[in-house]
Amino acid sequence: DIQMTQSPSSVSASVGDRVTIACRASQDITTWLAWYQQKPGTAPKLLINAASSLQSGVPSRFSGSGSGTYFTLTISSLQPEDFATYYCQQGHSFPLTFGGGTKVEIK
Amino acid sequence: EAQVLESGGGLVQPGGSLRLSCVGSGFSFSKISMNWVRQAPGKGLEWISVISGHGRSIEDADSVRGRFTISRDNSKNTVYLQMNSLRVEDTAKYFCVKEENKGHRYGLDVWGQGTTVTVSS
Repeated sequence: DIQMTQSPSSVSASVGDRVTIACRASQDITTWLAWYQQKPGTAPKLLINAASSLQSGVPSRFSGSGSGTYFTLTISSLQPEDFATYYCQQGHSFPLTFGGGTKVEIK
Repeated sequence: EAQVLESGGGLVQPGGSLRLSCVGSGFSFSKISMNWVRQAPGKGLEWISVISGHGRSIEDADSVRGRFTISRDNSKNTVYLQMNSLRVEDTAKYFCVKEENKGHRYGLDVWGQGTTVTVSS
């Protein structure tokens, strides 16, 4: 199975800050990487797929990059509605696997 | 708008069984693979099973293989998760999730609100 490791596990930031979350795969997954946002009590929401393709309706302050085994999700200017937990997920092969999550908290 | 809606969760004793259902709407249900993903209380996301649009291809996580069975009835736009030999560690919210139209490599794009399964004596 492909292991997905996210860092950090939590980050405290202020509105307007630039935040970057890292995700590392245990083997080469090319660009088959998705990012999700989950707010408390709600289902996850797909933000980015194929490592860097923004889903329709997702604000342009979100961006994804990377290939192979190292990927990042960047929020260029954190907004109040962005405080949530973010997960990466590899779609290269089954079983699909998720990172452990990164909680973005208010500083 | 594509939507999925789960039902069937509840409280069950260890060793018991439960069947979850998920109805899809707003998309070509029979052409899209459907997944189940679970989330234990306060924990992260765990993918557990997928079934292809025609129902002939299935993949499962090791943690549920041999105990959980995914199936679908395209005439009812419904996917099921039959859960047998339930364990305390199966306690979680179970999400029914549609994969992106281009396939699983492009992520899971429509999530239900989840149904809660509690395994406890």
